[in-house]
Amino acid sequence: AQSVTQLDSQVPVFEEAPVELRCNYSSSVSVYLFWYVQYPNQGLQLLLKYLSGSTLVKGINGFEAEFNKSQTSFHLRKPSVHISDTAEYFCAVTNTGGFKTIFGAGTRLFVKA
Amino acid sequence: DGGITQSPKYLFRKEGQNVTLSCEQNLNHDAMYWYRQDPGQGLRLIYYSQIVNDFQKGDIAEGYSVSREKKESFPLTVTSAQKNPTAFYLCASTPNGGSNYGYTFGSGTRLTVV
Repeated sequence: AQSVTQLDSQVPVFEEAPVELRCNYSSSVSVYLFWYVQYPNQGLQLLLKYLSGSTLVKGINGFEAEFNKSQTSFHLRKPSVHISDTAEYFCAVTNTGGFKTIFGAGTRLFVKA
Repeated sequence: DGGITQSPKYLFRKEGQNVTLSCEQNLNHDAMYWYRQDPGQGLRLIYYSQIVNDFQKGDIAEGYSVSREKKESFPLTVTSAQKNPTAFYLCASTPNGGSNYGYTFGSGTRLTVV
């Protein structure tokens, strides 16, 4: 069985400051990892994914994430946030060769002027 | 542009009433999914379908039903047996059910019981 824990339910940050949204996962098998973004009353949009290879993956909108196998983490980062980054962010995991994806509970990012 | 269309965007259900949420995709994806989203709980899988005329229950299928008569369409019916249906419902798809692709989501239907 797999599980995903997003360690912060809400993260307030000032505009142009860096941000890190934390995600830990648990799985007994190899996994693929994903980050999605959801704007109010919208569906989710894929930000980035880790499948294999380089542990640092870059996504859309200037976001990046680092896979750490020993710490079973996949934290999302952005060096300088904008007001428009205000949204909810979901970490997700799927076991390789599997079919179902498990989502974390989400982290609300508030970017303040 | 290809994508997933969910309708209606807002839906109100009376007690004891069945309602159907529409999900249509023009991405030529084989696999389609229905998720329920409640505040602070992330997304929970209701049903999924990997091919036409076949579907499987997810983690919270009770009180819901689906059909997959066409590749493009995967409607969800919320029946009167679902005691707490107020939620945001999201439809998604992947090309072939492979776990490495990531989902494409629709824009959701917000269902409210009145």
